Amino acid sequence: EVQLVESGGGLVKPGGSLRLSCAASGFTFSSYSMNWVRQAPGKGLEWVSSISSSSSYIYYADSVKGRFTISRDNAKNSLYLQMNSLRAEDTAVYYCARDLPFMPGAFDYWGQGTLVTVSS
Amino acid sequence: AIQLTQSPSSLSASVGDRVTITCRASQGISSALAWYQQKPGKAPKLLIYDASSLESGVPSRFSGSGSGTDFTLTISSLQPEDFATYYCQQFNSYPRTFGQGTRLEIK
Repeated sequence: EVQLVESGGGLVKPGGSLRLSCAASGFTFSSYSMNWVRQAPGKGLEWVSSISSSSSYIYYADSVKGRFTISRDNAKNSLYLQMNSLRAEDTAVYYCARDLPFMPGAFDYWGQGTLVTVSS
Repeated sequence: AIQLTQSPSSLSASVGDRVTITCRASQGISSALAWYQQKPGKAPKLLIYDASSLESGVPSRFSGSGSGTDFTLTISSLQPEDFATYYCQQFNSYPRTFGQGTRLEIK
């Protein structure tokens, strides 16, 4: 069974940092591109970042470029999101999501999400 | 960035109704479109990919169509478990973008 489990969320002050993790199981993690998608309270979905299977290709939304860093450790079946210089508008539930294997860019499995709250 | 505009933003319907949600892209995206269903407090669920391909395990009452800039998601006969928010998403290019969502409510 495919499972994605996020962790690392919490309350952080503006300007602070946080590192999110996503533990993957039930599939060959090293073969899939992975993604972070967020959802502010009561709002819609916003794509944040994507990373290819070997970390060769990395993309960011303009809203987080220069502040967030996506990475992965295929030996540990884990995806990460390092978030620096956090702002109130980064408050959201952050989901990790797997690319559909034969249709990259569509997300077939999602984690349950981890809440990040940026507030003083 | 490619903008996706969904209509309507909200919709009231009854069990058994046929419902159609539209997603319009600001530029052509071929068939690189997915549809998701999200229920309160839950992660989104993939319904349709490649504009019209049904994800495994998704009931056949869901269908998608379109290419280029205009796309539709149709639910042929609403069931109680279908009341949720629906999002379209394009994966033709980066940044990936989502529509603003369509909230489907019980009439």
